[in-house]
Amino acid sequence: RKEVEQDPGPFNVPEGATVAFNCTYSNSASQSFFWYRQDCRKEPKLLMSVYSSGNEDGRFTAQLNRASQYISLLIRDSKLSDSATYLCVVTLYGQNFVFGPGTRLSVLP
Amino acid sequence: DTEVTQTPKHLVMGMTNKKSLKCEQHMGHRAMYWYKQKAKKPPELMFVYSYEKLSINESVPSRFSPECPNSSLLNLHLHALQPEDSALYLCASSQASANEQFFGPGTRLTVL
Repeated sequence: RKEVEQDPGPFNVPEGATVAFNCTYSNSASQSFFWYRQDCRKEPKLLMSVYSSGNEDGRFTAQLNRASQYISLLIRDSKLSDSATYLCVVTLYGQNFVFGPGTRLSVLP
Repeated sequence: DTEVTQTPKHLVMGMTNKKSLKCEQHMGHRAMYWYKQKAKKPPELMFVYSYEKLSINESVPSRFSPECPNSSLLNLHLHALQPEDSALYLCASSQASANEQFFGPGTRLTVL
């Protein structure tokens, strides 16, 4: 089983739609969780860290479910500019990033 | 300043060439990383420097040689590369390992 798994997509959604991505991780000792977005031929950019209590940043909401070992990202009111690959990242204590394979999102006009 | 810079942006080299990639950050971060990314794949960790010491080498071939001259700079020396080494090479830094990482724009390397 891979350490971090994501549905590769693509998710094709119309502007204004709400879209949700899930990410599952295999190691229950995982400590830190992040969502990054990566545009084509660009570097990954931090979208948000994911906290146990869940957190929201504008149209983006991240949730962590430790019991089921998954994190989620909800995007409300999708914009064309949200089209990108969304990478789930998990770390173990003192260890380094483990990237999921990424989920590709296309927001259509 | 939340920027990580990398030079060059693009590099084309032959299999017998020696070249270097450079990375710089001025955020006071103590951990710096090299990643390799192939098309449609996530970044793969190559090396980690923590407090200017190499702490992780993810079984990378010796034709890739990292160097950390000081806490702000990270180099990747390349020698006798193969065409399959063509990829986007990303540098990142973080306050400490397991903290959020900030990535540079990458160097797109083509080996002929």
